[in-house]
Amino acid sequence: GQNIDQPTEMTATEGAIVQINCTYQTSGFNGLFWYQQHAGEAPTFLSYNVLDGLEEKGRFSSFLSRSKGYSYLLLKELQMKDSASYLCAGIDSNYQLIWGAGTKLIIKP
Amino acid sequence: DAGITQSPRHKVTETGTPVTLRCHQTENHRYMYWYRQDPGHGLRLIHYSYGVKDTDKGEVSDGYSVSRSKTEDFLLTLESATSSQTSVYFCASSEVPDTDTQYFGPGTRLTVL
Repeated sequence: GQNIDQPTEMTATEGAIVQINCTYQTSGFNGLFWYQQHAGEAPTFLSYNVLDGLEEKGRFSSFLSRSKGYSYLLLKELQMKDSASYLCAGIDSNYQLIWGAGTKLIIKP
Repeated sequence: DAGITQSPRHKVTETGTPVTLRCHQTENHRYMYWYRQDPGHGLRLIHYSYGVKDTDKGEVSDGYSVSRSKTEDFLLTLESATSSQTSVYFCASSEVPDTDTQYFGPGTRLTVL
């Protein structure tokens, strides 16, 4: 079956670094997305990885290991506005997005 | 950001009544999607469209139908609403289905009593 697993909730401190992990099992693999979703709002795009390695974009970085079926989102210099849910989604062989349930990130001062 | 709107934003209805949700995009994207989002679940695909009058079922299509008569509009219909269809519904669009970002509308919160 197809499955995306990520932790339900994480807590971190303002100014710190946090890593949100995602493991996936999809029928075929055509890339992996990370989205951010603030409470009561729509998901917004953060990153896309299709090759192994780290993609850096400002304070946010995303890593992919296709052999391990594993990705992580790294958030540096955490700010209170980073409190949100982070959604991991894999693209399967039919080019459909398979979504994880999301990780709720709580930032404490 | 892509211009995607949804209407209504909130709706309360009774079991057994028909409900239509509308999604409108101004980006001329070919692909459009309807998802539902429930606590403890990821976004689940209901139906998607790959062009005018071209639609296909997603993971949780039972009880839902869609129509796309124009590139910019994608309608989701609940023929006879049930309490299990209480959810937040998101519409999204993209130019291509795989590597392209999906842009989401603001969502519709539907409550079926």
